[in-house]
Amino acid sequence: TQLLEQSPQFLSIQEGENLTVYCNSSSVFSSLQWYRQEPGEGPVLLVTVVTGGEVKKLKRLTFQFGDARKDSSLHITAAQPGDTGLYLCAGENDYKLSFGAGTTVTVRA
Amino acid sequence: KAGVTQTPRYLIKTRGQQVTLSCSPISGHRSVSWYQQTPGQGLQFLFEYFSETQRNKGNFPGRFSGRQFSNSRSEMNVSTLELGDSALYLCASSLDRAGLETQYFGPGTRLLVL
Repeated sequence: TQLLEQSPQFLSIQEGENLTVYCNSSSVFSSLQWYRQEPGEGPVLLVTVVTGGEVKKLKRLTFQFGDARKDSSLHITAAQPGDTGLYLCAGENDYKLSFGAGTTVTVRA
Repeated sequence: KAGVTQTPRYLIKTRGQQVTLSCSPISGHRSVSWYQQTPGQGLQFLFEYFSETQRNKGNFPGRFSGRQFSNSRSEMNVSTLELGDSALYLCASSLDRAGLETQYFGPGTRLLVL
């Protein structure tokens, strides 16, 4: 069983639409990270959120860490084909990262 | 600055064989972590090495082992391969403590066990 549950597992949208990916756990994390992985490559860190209730914006991407530090969400506004990839959340405790299974996002032109 | 490199990129083995994968971290990074990625289980932490010492370990059987050299390069070894070991093996390096410092991932080694 995954420590972190991501939903949905797959998401296919049209260019210009918005999307939200969720990452939930029953565990509290010291911090939570979001990565994007493209085919044939390793994951690339997008953001780290540390404080409960924290919201971080990275251009069209908005990341939120739940108040209880157990869940997080990633919202993409006006998605573009370049946003296509596997989005992974990872919770950190005791210097170990636990990853969710990922959400595969496809943005159609 | 060169990124994390992993060799080989692809590997085919048969059940019962053993395999060694190599990872060269970003210059100056002293921590190297290894992960197994499969479609069903996602990314799972194998172990982390820092200054030639295993600092953290995931829940994998003893068939999975690793080591780190004085130049921070790391190898992982899987003995007595099983079909279920087929996966993408990712290595990540960071300046210091994984989980606190940004980890930079390599492209991975895709292992197929027949």
